[in-house]
Amino acid sequence: EVQLVESGGGLVQPGGSLRLSCAASGFTFSSYEMNWVRQAPGKGLEWVSYISSSGSTIYYADSVKGRFTISRDNAKNSLYLQMNSLRAEDTAVYYCARGIQLSFWGQGTLVTVSS
Amino acid sequence: QSALTQPASVSGSPGQSITISCTGTSSDVGSYNLVSWYQQHPGKAPKLMIYEVSKRPSGVSNRFSGSKSGNTASLTISGLQAEDEADYYCCSYAGSSTVFGTGTKVTVL
Repeated sequence: EVQLVESGGGLVQPGGSLRLSCAASGFTFSSYEMNWVRQAPGKGLEWVSYISSSGSTIYYADSVKGRFTISRDNAKNSLYLQMNSLRAEDTAVYYCARGIQLSFWGQGTLVTVSS
Repeated sequence: QSALTQPASVSGSPGQSITISCTGTSSDVGSYNLVSWYQQHPGKAPKLMIYEVSKRPSGVSNRFSGSKSGNTASLTISGLQAEDEADYYCCSYAGSSTVFGTGTKVTVL
């Protein structure tokens, strides 16, 4: 069974940092591109970042460029999102999603940026 | 990276058909056959319903169909059922980014 389980969310002050993780199982993680997508409370979906299967190609949304870093460890079947200089507008549920077509999603982890 | 444009809401009676439009630009929807559609029920993760414009993943009802013309993609739900009431989002590959639609709330009357 394909599973993606996000973790690492929580409450952080503006300007702070947080590292999200996404543990994958049930498929060959190293063969798939991965994405992070977020959804602010009561709002729509926003693509955040993409990483190729090998990690050699990475893209970011303009809203997070220079503050967030996506990475992966294929040996550990894990995807990461390092989030620095967090702002109130980064408050959202963060999902990891598999593939260029985002074919499968985890249940998400909530990040709240507030003082 | 502007969001794709969707109607805020669409409604229909059980058994009817509805269509949700998704308008982008020549840089996203118009350039790639990598348009997908997601269904999201409250408090749940999005679920892929259509990929590559018109393909259905295994397990998705054939009442869901997708198409594209120029810069506009469409999702049609035929034989509307109560369980189809949800938010729907389109999504397009755009080269070095991915862009989502603004979202459409589907109400079954």
